[in-house]
Amino acid sequence: NAGVMQNPRHLVRRRGQEARLRCSPVKGHSHVYWYRQLPEEGLKFMVYLQKENIIDESGMPKERFSAEFPKEGPSILRIQQVVRGDSAAYFCASSPTDMGAGYGYTFGSGTRLTVV
Amino acid sequence: KNEVEQSPQNLTAQEGEFITINCSYSVGISALHWLQQHPGGGIVSLFMLSSGKKKHGRLIATINIQEKHSSLHITASHPRDSAVYICAAPADTGKLIFGQGTTLQVKP
Repeated sequence: NAGVMQNPRHLVRRRGQEARLRCSPVKGHSHVYWYRQLPEEGLKFMVYLQKENIIDESGMPKERFSAEFPKEGPSILRIQQVVRGDSAAYFCASSPTDMGAGYGYTFGSGTRLTVV
Repeated sequence: KNEVEQSPQNLTAQEGEFITINCSYSVGISALHWLQQHPGGGIVSLFMLSSGKKKHGRLIATINIQEKHSSLHITASHPRDSAVYICAAPADTGKLIFGQGTTLQVKP
């Protein structure tokens, strides 16, 4: 049983391009969380999804960012028209519950996005 | 005031020393996560605590739910323990609120 799989591990995009980051949760986990770690800063919550639903997007920038977790397939974090300030490590975590206090909360290895 | 605060922010120790990192939080359900991150690396979950004390190898984590305070201890520290240690409290919907991290360097 693989853990949380994120791909790609590293992604380079030119300003104005689109970035798509993928996250496959632990098998059986239906709760997915995305976090962002800007250079020299701490981790910040972005969005929480369940299958086909966005539950909490209070940490998502208002423009250019979107996320989905379809019935089939991985969760996708999409950044349109990337700017240099989007360069960061993006981590996905999955959980079997929505409590965050239960066992099984698992992080992926992250996608490091560099915008040039 | 941050909802999750760690101290110290930076810590340098000699190999073999006993290390303590502290975390206080003002949010969250009655649990706390301790995480480890190596430079440029992924995030590894060390502990999830809802009460008392947990031990894994040379790592020990304790929590006082009433005081909303937790500590991470490393006994007989080793250079490979050098990393950033992060505490995180689950808020509503299970999202984690993170401390700013403690950067630990253990010198041989």
